[in-house]
Amino acid sequence: AQSVTQLDSQVPVFEEAPVELRCNYSSSVSVYLFWYVQYPNQGLQLLLKYLSGSTLVKGINGFEAEFNKSQTSFHLRKPSVHISDTAEYFCAVSETSGTYKYIFGTGTRLKVLA
Amino acid sequence: DSGVTQTPKHLITATGQRVTLRCSPRSGDLSVYWYQQSLDQGLQFLIQYYNGEERAKGNILERFSAQQFPDLHSELNLSSLELGDSALYFCASSLVGLAGEQFFGPGTRLTVL
Repeated sequence: AQSVTQLDSQVPVFEEAPVELRCNYSSSVSVYLFWYVQYPNQGLQLLLKYLSGSTLVKGINGFEAEFNKSQTSFHLRKPSVHISDTAEYFCAVSETSGTYKYIFGTGTRLKVLA
Repeated sequence: DSGVTQTPKHLITATGQRVTLRCSPRSGDLSVYWYQQSLDQGLQFLIQYYNGEERAKGNILERFSAQQFPDLHSELNLSSLELGDSALYFCASSLVGLAGEQFFGPGTRLTVL
């Protein structure tokens, strides 16, 4: 079975500052890794995904994440945030075969301050 | 727009009632997933259907059931509703075999009074 831990429930950061949202996972099998963003009153939108290959993954809106197998982490980063990045961010893992169902972390609420 | 549609957008009902949530997947996607998002439980996987057949079950209560029809749309049926069933219910779809990426609908917000 897989599990996902997002260590920070809330992260306040000033506009134009860098941010890192942490995600650690546990799994006995290979996994795919995802970051989704949820804006207020909206569904989930895929930011980026790691399937295989390069451990540094670039996504939309200037976000990137690095897969670290030894530390079982998949932290999300952005070098300079905007007010519009204020949202909830979810890390998810799925099996690499079978059902592909997602196991989500509890989410991190990013609040960008002016 | 993910291409996944869900109806209704909002649903308000009373305890003990039964409701049906509907989901239309993206064109060509064979797999449909249902998730529940609540304040205390977070985002929880409920159930998955693939091409009309149940594929996987998660934390789905016995009062809840789902099905996927020949045209691939899916319905989630919630019965004997309790206050604690109030949540946002998401449907997602994917073309299984294509690295598992799921596309989420806008959700149905269920309020049980």
